[in-house]
Amino acid sequence: AQSVTQLGSHVSVSEGALVLLRCNYSSSVPPYLFWYVQYPNQGLQLLLKYTTGATLVKGINGFEAEFKKSETSFHLTKPSAHMSDAAEYFCAVTGEWGAQKLVFGQGTRLTINP
Amino acid sequence: DTGVSQDPRHKITKRGQNVTFRCDPISEHNRLYWYRQTLGQGPEFLTYFQNEAQLEKSRLLSDRFSAERPKGSFSTLEIQRTEQGDSAMYLCASSLGRGGEGTEAFFGQGTRLTVV
Repeated sequence: AQSVTQLGSHVSVSEGALVLLRCNYSSSVPPYLFWYVQYPNQGLQLLLKYTTGATLVKGINGFEAEFKKSETSFHLTKPSAHMSDAAEYFCAVTGEWGAQKLVFGQGTRLTINP
Repeated sequence: DTGVSQDPRHKITKRGQNVTFRCDPISEHNRLYWYRQTLGQGPEFLTYFQNEAQLEKSRLLSDRFSAERPKGSFSTLEIQRTEQGDSAMYLCASSLGRGGEGTEAFFGQGTRLTVV
């Protein structure tokens, strides 16, 4: 079984500041991990994914995340926030790559202050 | 490739009515998933198909919910005798899966259901 905990339902940063969104997971099997972004009244867009191999993964829009097995974490970062990054971010896990039955966290709403 | 398409985007219905949503996956994708997302929450898995076969249903999917994927192409999700608690965003996703290989899931824009 899998579960995801996103620490902080709301995160607010200034434009140009570092973005850090936290995700911890639980999985009884080696996990596949994802970050999705959702804009208001829209579906989910994949930012990045970890499957196997390199633990630091780079995604779209300058985001990256690092898989840390010892900490069961997959935190999302971006060095410099942009106003267009304001959205809801979801971390998700699955233990079965083929089936893609994702278990999502509750989401973190990111606000960017000018 | 136009991505995953869902119709309608918004649906308002009276309690007790039946509603049906449609999802058209990415054309070559053999797997199709339905999720439900309530306000302020992450999406929750409802069911998924591989081709036309419905392989798994979540316990969230009550007897009032039924999903089909005839001919392994588009899918429909029907809710009978809607209740106010059914108000949510219903998301469809598709992926290409062959055994342990394949792509990640691509999501549609969702159908927002409001039961009044």
